Amino acid sequence: DGGITQSPKYLFRKEGQNVTLSCEQNLNHDAMYWYRQDPGQGLRLIYYSQIVNDFQKGDIAEGYSVSREKKESFPLTVTSAQKNPTAFYLCASSIGEGYEQYFGPGTRLTVT
Amino acid sequence: QKEVEQNSGPLSVPEGAIASLNCTYSDRVSQSFFWYRQYSGKSPELIMSIYSNGDKEDGRFTAQLNKASQYVSLLIRDSQPSDSATYLCAVNIVGSARQLTFGSGTQLTVLP
Repeated sequence: DGGITQSPKYLFRKEGQNVTLSCEQNLNHDAMYWYRQDPGQGLRLIYYSQIVNDFQKGDIAEGYSVSREKKESFPLTVTSAQKNPTAFYLCASSIGEGYEQYFGPGTRLTVT
Repeated sequence: QKEVEQNSGPLSVPEGAIASLNCTYSDRVSQSFFWYRQYSGKSPELIMSIYSNGDKEDGRFTAQLNKASQYVSLLIRDSQPSDSATYLCAVNIVGSARQLTFGSGTQLTVLP
């Protein structure tokens, strides 16, 4: 059963702590993406990766970091440098640039 | 000017009516166009892809693309309350580092 999984579904952290969000896909897609969505807002691209061991910053990369050591996995770390980390985080994948993206179920992060 | 623009709505239609959602984009050489549906609290779900001028039908959904006028639309026939969601337009902006650029979405409510 192919798809994208994100864990956990809900995450609560204290301010000042780093937190890592998991994203795994078994669709054999080359490209993976991280987006942030705030209430009533559109999607904002944080980072994307077109191939293993390579990734690029999106529009709002400050305070975030990623790695792409395996094709299937693209974890996102929200660092303490991110000023307003509370948001809905979405991971997506596609077969390549310009193709349709498929989304995971998302992780809702709350930092207090 | 935003690269992908949608009316934020909310758009309300009665059950059984046709809902018309519109999206304009700034890049004349864009090749790929997508419509996503996002229910409240959930992740976006791909519902339509269109690549060439004209209409593409899938069940109650019809996507319409006019590259000369730089717009893409989504028609939902026989609208149902279950169609109530936010609809996101996504466009492959050639040369953009974002891969796909998403509009901010149109909120649709289908009234029983």
